[in-house]
Amino acid sequence: DGGITQSPKYLFRKEGQNVTLSCEQNLNHDAMYWYRQDPGQGLRLIYYSQIVNDFQKGDIAEGYSVSREKKESFPLTVTSAQKNPTAFYLCASSIQQGAGELFFGEGSRLTVL
Amino acid sequence: AQSVSQHNHHVILSEAASLELGCNYSYGGTVNLFWYVQYPGQHLQLLLKYFSGDPLVKGIKGFEAEFIKSKFSFNLRKPSVQWSDTAEYFCAVNANNAGNMLTFGGGTRLMVKP
Repeated sequence: DGGITQSPKYLFRKEGQNVTLSCEQNLNHDAMYWYRQDPGQGLRLIYYSQIVNDFQKGDIAEGYSVSREKKESFPLTVTSAQKNPTAFYLCASSIQQGAGELFFGEGSRLTVL
Repeated sequence: AQSVSQHNHHVILSEAASLELGCNYSYGGTVNLFWYVQYPGQHLQLLLKYFSGDPLVKGIKGFEAEFIKSKFSFNLRKPSVQWSDTAEYFCAVNANNAGNMLTFGGGTRLMVKP
């Protein structure tokens, strides 16, 4: 089955800790994205990557970091610098950046205690 | 700033009622338009999309949407909703003059009462 796998589904973190969310895809897509979903605000773009070893900041990149060492993988680190990290995080991919249709993972819910 | 607006945040309908969810965007130029749906406990999935051609597009599960360029709108419709349509619906737009990045509206949470 082709798709996007995010882990963990649920994560709790103490304030001041960094945490890394995993995103893997086997769709052979070039582009990958991280969105943050908050109630009433829709999805806001954190980072995206058009190709391996390249990534760009989205609208709300502060306090986050990413890497794209392999085509299949695009992990997101939520650092202690992120002021309001409790949220639902969605990873997505597309054939190319700008191709339009995104394919989403099931999401990771991060709660900071 | 470029934006996508969904004016209805919460909608409650009874089964068999008709549905229309509004979506307006602020981009000029060529746009591609999408509706995504997120059923409870499931991942976001594409409901329908418009790239060009007939402005009335049909998607899965009996949904359709109409692109009205003069109104910068892409409203989602369904003539008769079912309980299984309970979900959150997101309108999204990408524009050639916005780096082709997909921008999402705030979402509309639909509850259909059986």
